[in-house]
Formats: sequence, structure tokens, C-alpha cells
Amino acid sequence: NAGVTQTPKFRILKIGQSMTLQCAQDMNHNYMYWYRQDPGMGLKLIYYSVGAGITDKGEVPNGYNVSRSTTEDFPLRLELAAPSQTSVYFCATSGALLGTNVLTFGAGSRLTVL
Amino acid sequence: AQTVTQSQPEMSVQEAETVTLSCTYDTSESDYYLFWYKQPPSRQMILVIRQEAYKQQNATENRFSVNFQKAAKSFSLKISDSQLGDAAMYFCAYRSPRGGSNYKLTFGKGTLLTVNP
Repeated sequence: NAGVTQTPKFRILKIGQSMTLQCAQDMNHNYMYWYRQDPGMGLKLIYYSVGAGITDKGEVPNGYNVSRSTTEDFPLRLELAAPSQTSVYFCATSGALLGTNVLTFGAGSRLTVL
Repeated sequence: AQTVTQSQPEMSVQEAETVTLSCTYDTSESDYYLFWYKQPPSRQMILVIRQEAYKQQNATENRFSVNFQKAAKSFSLKISDSQLGDAAMYFCAYRSPRGGSNYKLTFGKGTLLTVNP
């Protein structure tokens, strides 16, 4: 039972490069989220999805894009990487039913933009 | 918008002692969920304990318990018999029970707990 799987775990990008952070879940959860965690800060929501084909912006969406073509996958794309996007990124999922609405997190992806 | 405040950036405790981490929140809702998450050096976010606002009884999970004061909008975490493995960053988080974007968690900035042997 893998839960929430994020890849890659680490990545170094040059300014202006693009990349996609992958997130896959096998929990059949409807809700998926991308958070970023900056040093000394809590987690801030970038984008979220309430189901396949439905996504919406969170608190800090600028510089990112997402898609949700299946229930299982929720990739996060950085189009033109900037140093301000150096952070640890977490994908999370939750169900809609009582008892499944606790967020389950992936292990995180550490991104450095130089 | 809901906000979560953790006023203690760092705390330390002796092994086997008890420590309490503070959290306050601001909301206009009457029903909601509160959580404590632990983040060890591995970075994995691990759920420690949760509390439903409609329940008056404080949640307990083994050595972890909360003091939920709804009127004061306070949600502190007590760790009893502290162990070296409890050393981590602890985050308090709030969640609305309503759907859509409200299923997201709003986090505090965290408290770094050190356990001294």
C-alpha cells in the first residue's frame, strides 16, 4: 500500500528551466493538494483538485500549473523556474467522507533553483 | 479567512518529562477540525492527533493529548513521557468541514521541539 508517491525526491534546476513534479495516489481519494514549505514556515497551498478534471488555485499559485486527468495523478508543473521557487513541495490527498478527510502526505520533493 | 498561530518557534524538554505546545486559531465557523502534525528530519508529515470541534472531550492518542478550548480558540498539544523520537517540528492545522476549497488545511508556522537526553 504505497499511499501517496512523489517523484523526484530531489532536483536542482537552473533559472528558466521547466519541470514537472509527479504525484500519484492509490487511496482512491477525490481531493488532492500541492503545498510548498519554505524554511521556518508552515505549508502554503499552491493548487488543489476536488476530482478528475477539476482544479483550482490556492494561496500561492503564481509560477505553477496543474492538471488532473485521472483520480490517481496530480502533477505540478513549473514553467520558468525562479529562485523564489526553491522549496520543499508536498502532495497530499484526502477523501470526502467522514473518517477519510484527514490529509495523507507524500514524502516531499526538495527543489533548488540556481 | 482562517489563521493559525503557533507562538513558540522552539521548545525543549528533558526526556521522560512533559511538554505543552501552544496553538491558537481564528475562525468565524462553529464547526471545524483541528490537527497536530509532526515533521521529523525525514520531512514526512505525520498525523499526531485530531479534534472535531463539536466534540467537547479532548482527543488522546497514547502519550499525546490536546487541551481544546473552543471559546478561547486554543488547541494545545501535550506530550507526556517525552522520548528522543518525539524531536521534530510540530504543526498545528485547521480545516473547515465544508467542501470545495475548504477541505484544505491551514497551517501554523510550526514549533521545533528538541528532546534532551
